[in-house]
Amino acid sequence: QQPVQSPQAVILREGEDAVINCSSSKALYSVHWYRQKHGEAPVFLMILLKGGEQKGHEKISASFNEKKQQSSLYLTASQLSYSGTYFCGTEEHQGGSEKLVFGKGTKLTVNP
Amino acid sequence: ETGVTQSPTHLIKTRGQQVTLRCSSQSGHNTVSWYQQALGQGPQFIFQYYREEENGRGNFPPRFSGLQFPNYSSELNVNALELDDSALYLCASSLEAGRVYNEQFFGPGTRLTVL
Repeated sequence: QQPVQSPQAVILREGEDAVINCSSSKALYSVHWYRQKHGEAPVFLMILLKGGEQKGHEKISASFNEKKQQSSLYLTASQLSYSGTYFCGTEEHQGGSEKLVFGKGTKLTVNP
Repeated sequence: ETGVTQSPTHLIKTRGQQVTLRCSSQSGHNTVSWYQQALGQGPQFIFQYYREEENGRGNFPPRFSGLQFPNYSSELNVNALELDDSALYLCASSLEAGRVYNEQFFGPGTRLTVL
């Protein structure tokens, strides 16, 4: 079952902040965030691992609440280049193998 | 450093046909994952290959199959194409160590249209 992202879409003015949420009904091993611009491939933003370790870009911050099975991506002082669709992916383990399940995405539009 | 490449860019097939999509992973990466992305949706995991063996599979029927070669490039094969198979197919390569997913580098995708 795919994670649920909210909001589905958000429109900002340049310089404003936004929070994108991702929640799952399953236990999370890690949460991955990607951004996809129209007609392009998804680009890695961040991985959050159980235990608090994070790997990602310096200007992006995120949280991972293992107990609540939730993650949030924080976009501060947004720039025009932040526009795109943001996907969270949750790592699931099943039958000895792992898979990454993506949500439906949150479309972010940053206007001048 | 060469990024992830996919071929072909676009493909049109008719229902019932078979298709093979190709992916060259980024230099040094040993893992390739394939995803199907329908319009307006997130990527759906098809399967992953790690060191030439399938290392996980999503909810796709057996007519979706794959291969990984010794140079870590990969193929996705789809038999008996259906109209719902029309989508963007993405491959992503990564350097996996153990059982932890790492940063994935996506290719530009192959747009498959089934008529």
